[in-house]
Amino acid sequence: GQNIDQPTEMTATEGAIVQINCTYQTSGFNGLFWYQQHAGEAPTFLSYNVLDGLEEKGRFSSFLSRSKGYSYLLLKELQMKDSASYLCASMDSNYQLIWGAGTKLIIKP
Amino acid sequence: IAGITQAPTSQILAAGRRMTLRCTQDMRHNAMYWYRQDLGLGLRLIHYSNTAGTTGKGEVPDGYSVSRANTDDFPLTLASAVPSQTSVYFCASAQAGGTDTQYFGPGTRLTVL
Repeated sequence: GQNIDQPTEMTATEGAIVQINCTYQTSGFNGLFWYQQHAGEAPTFLSYNVLDGLEEKGRFSSFLSRSKGYSYLLLKELQMKDSASYLCASMDSNYQLIWGAGTKLIIKP
Repeated sequence: IAGITQAPTSQILAAGRRMTLRCTQDMRHNAMYWYRQDLGLGLRLIHYSNTAGTTGKGEVPDGYSVSRANTDDFPLTLASAVPSQTSVYFCASAQAGGTDTQYFGPGTRLTVL
């Protein structure tokens, strides 16, 4: 079956670094997406990885290992506004996104 | 530029009633999607459309229907609502489908009693 696993909740301190892990198992693979979703709002796109390695985009970076079925999202210099849920999604062979339940990130001052 | 709009923002509906959730985008995107989001679960694809005039079934299509008469609009209809359809519904669009980034509307919170 298809499955995406990510931690339910994480807590970090303002100014620190946090890594949110995601493991995926899908029928075929056409890339791994990360979205941010603030409470009561729509998901917004953060990153897309299809090749192994690290993609850096400002304070946010995303890593992919296709052989391990593993990705992580790295957030640096955490700000209070980074408090949100982070959704991992794998695109399967039919180009449909299979979504994890999301990781709620709580930032403490 | 509005992006994607959805209506209504929220709705309380009696079981057995028919309901259409509206979705409109002004980005001239070819692909559109309907998802539902339930607590503790990931977003689940209900139906999608890769281009005007075509639609396809996602992971959880039962009890829902869609149409795509033009590029901009992608309404989702619940023919006879049931309490298990209580959820937050998100519409999304992408330039050409495939691996293109999906952009989401603000969502409709639907409660079926």
